[in-house]
Amino acid sequence: EPEVTQTPSHQVTQMGQEVILRCVPISNHLYFYWYRQILGQKVEFLVSFYNNEISEKSEIFDDQFSVERPDGSNFTLKIRSTKLEDSAMYFCASLSENTEAFFGQGTRLTVV
Amino acid sequence: RKEVEQDPGPFNVPEGATVAFNCTYSNSASQSFFWYRQDCRKEPKLLMSVYSSGNEDGRFTAQLNRASQYISLLIRDSKLSDSATYLCVVSDNYGQNFVFGPGTRLSVLP
Repeated sequence: EPEVTQTPSHQVTQMGQEVILRCVPISNHLYFYWYRQILGQKVEFLVSFYNNEISEKSEIFDDQFSVERPDGSNFTLKIRSTKLEDSAMYFCASLSENTEAFFGQGTRLTVV
Repeated sequence: RKEVEQDPGPFNVPEGATVAFNCTYSNSASQSFFWYRQDCRKEPKLLMSVYSSGNEDGRFTAQLNRASQYISLLIRDSKLSDSATYLCVVSDNYGQNFVFGPGTRLSVLP
């Protein structure tokens, strides 16, 4: 069964550092998403990406965040100048028309 | 983004019980509806899509009421392995703009 893969599974970073979270969506999918989930809280939408550009972003997705799809396969989320409150699980998801969203296993980001 | 609301629970039920979850959504333009299951510290996984006519998959039944803008999930003969958080997910057109509810936590007790 095709799957969305995310790396790393766990990232520990110092406050103020930049991190890049990587995702490889399912190959024929067209829509890509990043979500985050702070421990014990709901899954929150960050950004959606279609046709090589951001199609929608939430209030959380401010100038600290950026996404790109540099090589047609990887889909990355960059977080600059990390803060303690950025600690969360970050999930990547992809889908195509007529499918549900498939989620990666997530990257646990811990900012210390 | 419009909201999706769920009772956070927890629902603590004995094995074999029937349990029902409701979810309400505020965006009347919503077109697609799903129930996802999330185990602790794992990614959400699709449990079932919700169709206008209602649908059943084994012990699970999903219903949609567009007029009242709510979705329900019924679990019959609950198993210990059903313990998880159940997420209501609404999309305003198929394939885009998924909005998650906060989830309802279910614990099935022996």
